[in-house]
Amino acid sequence: KQEVTQIPAALSVPEGENLVLNCSFTDSAIYNLQWFRQDPGKGLTSLLLIQSSQREQTSGRLNASLDKSSGRSTLYIAASQPGDSATYLCAVTGGSNYKLTFGKGTLLTVNP
Amino acid sequence: GAVVSQHPSWVICKSGTSVKIECRSLDFQATTMFWYRQFPKQSLMLMATSNEGSKATYEQGVEKDKFLINHASLTLSTLTVTSAHPEDSSFYICSARDLVSGGAEETQYFGPGTRLLVL
Repeated sequence: KQEVTQIPAALSVPEGENLVLNCSFTDSAIYNLQWFRQDPGKGLTSLLLIQSSQREQTSGRLNASLDKSSGRSTLYIAASQPGDSATYLCAVTGGSNYKLTFGKGTLLTVNP
Repeated sequence: GAVVSQHPSWVICKSGTSVKIECRSLDFQATTMFWYRQFPKQSLMLMATSNEGSKATYEQGVEKDKFLINHASLTLSTLTVTSAHPEDSSFYICSARDLVSGGAEETQYFGPGTRLLVL
């Protein structure tokens, strides 16, 4: 059974800092890994999707890496802003029915 | 493109009543829709997978008689929480997969979620 773990559970940083969020998964047989953003009481916003054959994806100040063999991914956020404050979820797609398995998320607070 | 809507966004009901939540794909045909539940500070947990025109497949531990799922058309799936109790209070999110227009099997588009509070 796939399990996804995100560390840390919460992170508070001053504005302007670069930061790294970590995600690990137990079963390396995945199709892809996604990072989502979730604002309080809201749905999910897809940030980055990394296919299993890829090593990283970049979008603006965000960079996500994937090491499939070791079951790890990182989300790097450069020059953090208060508007980046949200919960960041990591999810992997796997199995015959392409099921998504989510981590519990990292609650990020960027202080002005 | 690939927009998924949910209705209602918020619902408060009394214990023992049934609540229906709709999930619609607005600009594509969703051959498969997924229903997730998220408790506070927890991850999204898949409840069931529904394919248009067939019975839903429920995850282990999810009561199919309590959480009725109907996927009667390619653009609409409904989740009915029957005889709701306070412990059913949660955030329910649907997602949809677009295979008709050539979408990838591994891509899901998420709705904005429905918050259910059972008093």
